[in-house]
Amino acid sequence: EVQLLESGGGLVQTGGSLRLSCAASGFSFSNYALNWVRQAPGKGLEWVSSISGSGGTTYYAADSVKGRFTISRDNSKNTLFLQMNSLRAEDTAVYYCAKMAGYSGGYSDYWGQGTLVTVSS
Amino acid sequence: EIVLTQSPATLSLSPGERATLSCRASQSVSSSLAWYQQKPGQAPRLLIYDASNRATGIPARFSGSGSGTDFTLTISSLEPEDFAVYYCQQRSSWPLTFGGGTKVEIK
Repeated sequence: EVQLLESGGGLVQTGGSLRLSCAASGFSFSNYALNWVRQAPGKGLEWVSSISGSGGTTYYAADSVKGRFTISRDNSKNTLFLQMNSLRAEDTAVYYCAKMAGYSGGYSDYWGQGTLVTVSS
Repeated sequence: EIVLTQSPATLSLSPGERATLSCRASQSVSSSLAWYQQKPGQAPRLLIYDASNRATGIPARFSGSGSGTDFTLTISSLEPEDFAVYYCQQRSSWPLTFGGGTKVEIK
């Protein structure tokens, strides 16, 4: 059974940093690309970042997070990360990690339950 | 960036009725579109990928159609558990983008 468990969320001050983790199990971790998707309170879904199975290729939502957030993975520990720096109030959201579907890259076929990040002054 | 516009924002229907949800892309995404369902307090669930393929375990009452810029998700006969928010998402080009969502509520 595929499982994704996010951690690391919490309350942080404007301008601060936070590192999210996503522990994965139930699939061959290094064979799949992974995503971070966020959802502000009461709002829709927003893709944040993706990383290839090897970790060699990364993508970011250009305007909103590029230059502030860094996605990475440790294939030896089946763990995905999101380093978030220079946090702003508009980064407040539930952050989901999601596994990319193997049959059709770009879609997320399994999702974690999310971790809440609250940025406040 | 490809913008996805979903309509209507809210759909009020009764169990047993047919639901038709629309997603329009600002430029062609070919068939590279998915649909997700999200219930309150839960993570999204993949329903349809590549416009018309049901994901594993998705009931046959869910179907997707369309290509290019216009897509439709149809729920043939609403079950009580289908009342939720539905999002479309394109994978044709980076950045990946989602539509704003359609809420299907009980009338």
